[in-house]
Amino acid sequence: AQTVTQSQPEMSVQEAETVTLSCTYDTSENNYYLFWYKQPPSRQMILVIRQEAYKQQNATENRFSVNFQKAAKSFSLKISDSQLGDTAMYFCAFIPYNNNDMRFGAGTRLTVKP
Amino acid sequence: DSGVTQTPKHLITATGQRVTLRCSPRSGDLSVYWYQQSLDQGLQFLIQYYNGEERAKGNILERFSAQQFPDLHSELNLSSLELGDSALYFCASSVDHTDYGYTFGSGTRLTVV
Repeated sequence: AQTVTQSQPEMSVQEAETVTLSCTYDTSENNYYLFWYKQPPSRQMILVIRQEAYKQQNATENRFSVNFQKAAKSFSLKISDSQLGDTAMYFCAFIPYNNNDMRFGAGTRLTVKP
Repeated sequence: DSGVTQTPKHLITATGQRVTLRCSPRSGDLSVYWYQQSLDQGLQFLIQYYNGEERAKGNILERFSAQQFPDLHSELNLSSLELGDSALYFCASSVDHTDYGYTFGSGTRLTVV
């Protein structure tokens, strides 16, 4: 079974600081995609960043970057220079190639404090 | 605005009733996905349609059904509703079934009383 685990139900960070959210996954697949989605209070699911498993280089999108460790099946999200607008639930997600069942973790509620 | 439109935003109905949730995908997207987000089960994949055809099924109950119309909008039908069906139902779309960069709508909050 393919599962996604986010071990931190809640986290907080001071504005302008850096925070790292953890995610591990379990799969026997070799080719897959990993994602981080953000769900602010507006409840909209917003794609933050994506990583293809065959790419060794870690994805980066402005203040958001990932640390992808394929052997360890780990996919953490680093948010630099945290902003109040980053306050949201963050979901890690996994989907194998040629599959349409995207699996989500339980989420991490991040609060950015002024 | 993500480009994926879901209506209604909120729905309150009684047990045993039937409701229809509607989704218009982002312009140019052929694939539509339905997800259920509940407190106890988290986000779960229900069903996918691609260009009018059902492509994949996840944890969708037999009381639930969906379809995608020629204009590519999709409807999720929930019948014989139970209290446990109360959840946020998301629709997402992508260009095709190999594009995993899903764009989500803002969801329909269903409350069964």
